[in-house]
Parts: sequence; structure tokens; C-alpha cells
Amino acid sequence: SQQGEEDPQALSIQEGENATMNCSYKTSINNLQWYRQNSGRGLVHLILIRSNEREKHSGRLRVTLDTSKKSSSLLITASRAADTASYFCATISQGAQKLVFGQGTRLTINP
Amino acid sequence: DTAVSQTPKYLVTQMGNDKSIKCEQNLGHDTMYWYKQDSKKFLKIMFSYNNKELIINETVPNRFSPKSPDKAHLNLHINSLELGDSAVYFCASSQDPGTAYTEAFFGQGTRLTVV
Repeated sequence: SQQGEEDPQALSIQEGENATMNCSYKTSINNLQWYRQNSGRGLVHLILIRSNEREKHSGRLRVTLDTSKKSSSLLITASRAADTASYFCATISQGAQKLVFGQGTRLTINP
Repeated sequence: DTAVSQTPKYLVTQMGNDKSIKCEQNLGHDTMYWYKQDSKKFLKIMFSYNNKELIINETVPNRFSPKSPDKAHLNLHINSLELGDSAVYFCASSQDPGTAYTEAFFGQGTRLTVV
């Protein structure tokens, strides 16, 4: 079963704008991760936030985690055409040994 | 050097055939996975191996048989292929997934088309 649900399923914005994607999950987790998938390619790890962290930054990426609401958000600032891709959140539940993915958000950056 | 490599990248075959997909990782990870991504982009875990031992089998049909000759390799053999098996299959690896720090590294995927 899918652990995470992402919102929105698709997002189209202009280059230079910020993009925000949300992820909700169901069980207690060890960590939550965000991955990017360019068309026809494999997934690339972007950022990992542990269950005891609330916010994390990496370059133009900002991730927040609210374990009370079982939700996370990924913010991409100053978007570029190269950010066009699908973005997936993934979680490892406590006691589990597998990474479970949400259904992804397809982000399109228009030049 | 490619961290996780899988072959072939594309596989077109007829129903009823048997095919294999190979995966190798050079990251020294103990855990390897197979994921299936359907046409709607859902990524679903199929199998997980830790040090050559199966630790997760997500109710995948018996026609799918993973084999791990060593911890750097996890191959996927599929018997009697069906139309519904058409998908992109991803191999991945990670350190111990039970820790709070684990990230997964993915191969480029194998697009399987059953005709």
C-alpha cells in the first residue's frame, strides 16, 4: 500500500517562481525523503529529514516536517526550467526496512 | 562510475516468455531492492534483500524470482510474462534501511514491454 500521498499531483509555474509540494503519510516514521525523477530516468535523492527534525535546507530546497500532522512539504525557490521533473516523497516507517513512496508531483517550469 | 547499474535499459518481449533483468551496485551497500513503476508513476516495492537474504516480498506473484548471488548483485527473473507486467522496473540499494539516515540510490530503470 502507498504510504504517502502527494499534493498537488501536477504543478505548472513560471520560471523564477517558488514551487511547493506537500506529502502526507500514515504511520510513525524514522525519516522522510524527497526524490526527483526526470523523464525516462531513475530517481535521485534530494534531501532527507529525520523524524526529530522540523526543517532542513539544501541549496534552493527547503523541507519541513510536521510529525503531529504526519505531513511534509518541499519548497523549491527561484525555480528553473531544469527543475521540471516528478518529485516523490518517501518514508521509512519505524520498525520497517523498506522505503515507501508517494504517488509523486509532476512539476513543470515554464520559461 | 555508475553507482547502481541495471541491464537492459529496454526489454520488449512476447507474452509467455521468460526474461531476466540484472542489477549491480558498487556502493558497498548491504541492502538492495526491486521497485515497479506503473504507467501512472506509482512506485511499489517488490523485494528487498539484505546481505543476499530476502527480507521483504510484497506479495509479488511467484513468476517473479529475485536472485542475489552476492550483496552487490540482485537480479530479477520473470517467468511466463503477462501483459500486466509491462512497467519500468528499478533496482536500488541503500545502507541499513532501519536507521534514520538511509537514502536509496536508484538505477536508471528497465522499461519492460510485453506484447
